[in-house]
Amino acid sequence: DGGITQSPKYLFRKEGQNVTLSCEQNLNHDAMYWYRQDPGQGLRLIYYSQIVNDFQKGDIAEGYSVSREKKESFPLTVTSAQKNPTAFYLCASTEAVGTGELFFGEGSRLTVL
Amino acid sequence: AQSVAQPEDQVNVAEGNPLTVKCTYSVSGNPYLFWYVQYPNRGLQFLLKYITGDNLVKGSYGFEAEFNKSQTSFHLKKPSALVSDSALYFCAVFRPSGGYNKLIFGAGTRLAVHP
Repeated sequence: DGGITQSPKYLFRKEGQNVTLSCEQNLNHDAMYWYRQDPGQGLRLIYYSQIVNDFQKGDIAEGYSVSREKKESFPLTVTSAQKNPTAFYLCASTEAVGTGELFFGEGSRLTVL
Repeated sequence: AQSVAQPEDQVNVAEGNPLTVKCTYSVSGNPYLFWYVQYPNRGLQFLLKYITGDNLVKGSYGFEAEFNKSQTSFHLKKPSALVSDSALYFCAVFRPSGGYNKLIFGAGTRLAVHP
């Protein structure tokens, strides 16, 4: 079945460490996104990418980095520069030219100890 | 600036009663509007969307939403609530920007359906 796979589901990190969250899709979608979810704040866009080797900053990109070396993969690195990294991270994808309907992964919950 | 507002943090409904989850938006031009649902520790699932045409849109799991341009609203409704409908609901607006599909989400409304 086609879908989006995020890993790990849960992750714990010490302060000062970088961590990379994986996102893989087999939907053949061109566009991929990373959102951060905090209680009461909805979803905020971190980065997005429409094609391989291209990505754009979203609304809260500081302290995060991404790469898009393959169409299927869009990993997110949470760096030590992110001041408040504890959150639920959601990866999504959509066709490049569409109507805005996103397909989401199951999410990764990052906790900084 | 475009935005989406969900004025209620939580909605409580008895099972079998109709439910409404409110959403208003602010965006220039003709918006594309969406509702998504999220169950605990899961990703979001698409429920329904409005692009053009009939103002009443039907979606998954018996949900529907009514687009009201004059009131800039897109309220989610269901005639008879189920306990299994209890979840977090997000309204979102899409406005094409440079070819990218960028969705703006509301803060979410938690729906609690009581037996």
